[in-house]
Amino acid sequence: KQEVTQIPAALSVPEGENLVLNCSFTDSAIYNLQWFRQDPGKGLTSLLLIQSSQREQTSGRLNASLDKSSGRSTLYIAASQPGDSATYLCAASNTGNQFYFGTGTSLTVIP
Amino acid sequence: AAGVIQSPRHLIKEKRETATLKCYPIPRHDTVYWYQQGPGQDPQFLISFYEKMQSDKGSIPDRFSAQQFSDYHSELNMSSLELGDSALYFCASSGRDRGETEAFFGQGTRLTVV
Repeated sequence: KQEVTQIPAALSVPEGENLVLNCSFTDSAIYNLQWFRQDPGKGLTSLLLIQSSQREQTSGRLNASLDKSSGRSTLYIAASQPGDSATYLCAASNTGNQFYFGTGTSLTVIP
Repeated sequence: AAGVIQSPRHLIKEKRETATLKCYPIPRHDTVYWYQQGPGQDPQFLISFYEKMQSDKGSIPDRFSAQQFSDYHSELNMSSLELGDSALYFCASSGRDRGETEAFFGQGTRLTVV
């Protein structure tokens, strides 16, 4: 079973800043890792998926990296905007049959 | 593009009643996952199905059961509801046989037990 930890739990930054969200997992035998965004009371929106054979994925202003040996993934958000305010969750899967979620980082981007 | 459809979006039930939540995965996706998210908590895995067979089981109470049908839609049946079952229930799907391992989540069903 994976234990997934995210730090920080909350982050507040001024608009335009670049920021990094961290995700740690305990089992390096990972199948894939996925980053999600969740707005209050809403569903989970997939941001990026990194397969175990990959080191990073990019989509627009988002870049996610995966280091299996150290059990870490980071989500880099460039030029943050107020619309980026949400909770960001990472989820690790060992087999593809289930995902283990972290507790999330609540991001507030201040205009 | 079609997304994961969940119904109903909101449900209010009384204690000890029964509820059925439905999930319609993205077309041609072969894997369905169910998650429960309590207030202020991260999603907790309940159960998953691959090609209509249960593939993994998490913290699903014995009062709950689920199945995936021939058309790949899935239903989560919840009996003897308790106040603590009030949560957001998510369904997700992926297409592992097609190499589409990215999981896409539905908007969730918000269950309130009173």
